[in-house]
Amino acid sequence: GDSVTQTEGLVTLTEGLPVMLNCTYQTIYSNPFLFWYVHYLNESPRLLLKSSTDNKRTEHQGFHATLHKSSSSFHLQKSSAQLSDSALYYCALSASFSKLVFGQGTSLSVVP
Amino acid sequence: EAAVTQSPRNKVTVTGGNVTLSCRQTNSHNYMYWYRQDTGHGLRLIHYSYGAGNLQIGDVPDGYKATRTTQEDFFLLLELASPSQTSLYFCASSDGHGSDYTFGSGTRLLVI
Repeated sequence: GDSVTQTEGLVTLTEGLPVMLNCTYQTIYSNPFLFWYVHYLNESPRLLLKSSTDNKRTEHQGFHATLHKSSSSFHLQKSSAQLSDSALYYCALSASFSKLVFGQGTSLSVVP
Repeated sequence: EAAVTQSPRNKVTVTGGNVTLSCRQTNSHNYMYWYRQDTGHGLRLIHYSYGAGNLQIGDVPDGYKATRTTQEDFFLLLELASPSQTSLYFCASSDGHGSDYTFGSGTRLLVI
């Protein structure tokens, strides 16, 4: 079945350093949608980025990601981490059914 | 404003107890979902529905029932609650494949 893998459970970064959160996926479906959701403590998860176009960079709120079907990846990046970026980040896949399959989540902690 | 509203926000019950979690959406979305969130596991799909009277089994359905009474309302039922069901539960709605989710604020359930 469809699956999403986020290899880092916890990432701790110093403010100002670049962010990269890894996401790979598995599906037999040729046209998946990939998503990044951000979940701040005591709030609802909300959409950060979304893409279904191969090799096209998508950006929002300083974050960016590129879907690479050749490597089944959709890594999240930001050039400079801010304290306010501390949150739980989920990568998710929508493939052959109308449901999202989420990765395990990566908790990002940005410290001064 | 379109939204997903969950109730209660917090619930404590005893082992073997009966619990109903409620979710209402005003997005006019066809699809509704119940997920549980656990550290190390991310968001895991319990049940989902694509319309009133419809129910689809998710990835972790054991011990849970669900019912979609109207397009707006989706309920999750735990008829014999167990400590392993202590978790943070999220309801979400969407338009279907490729569409992003709107999440509720979550229900924190403690089974003692």
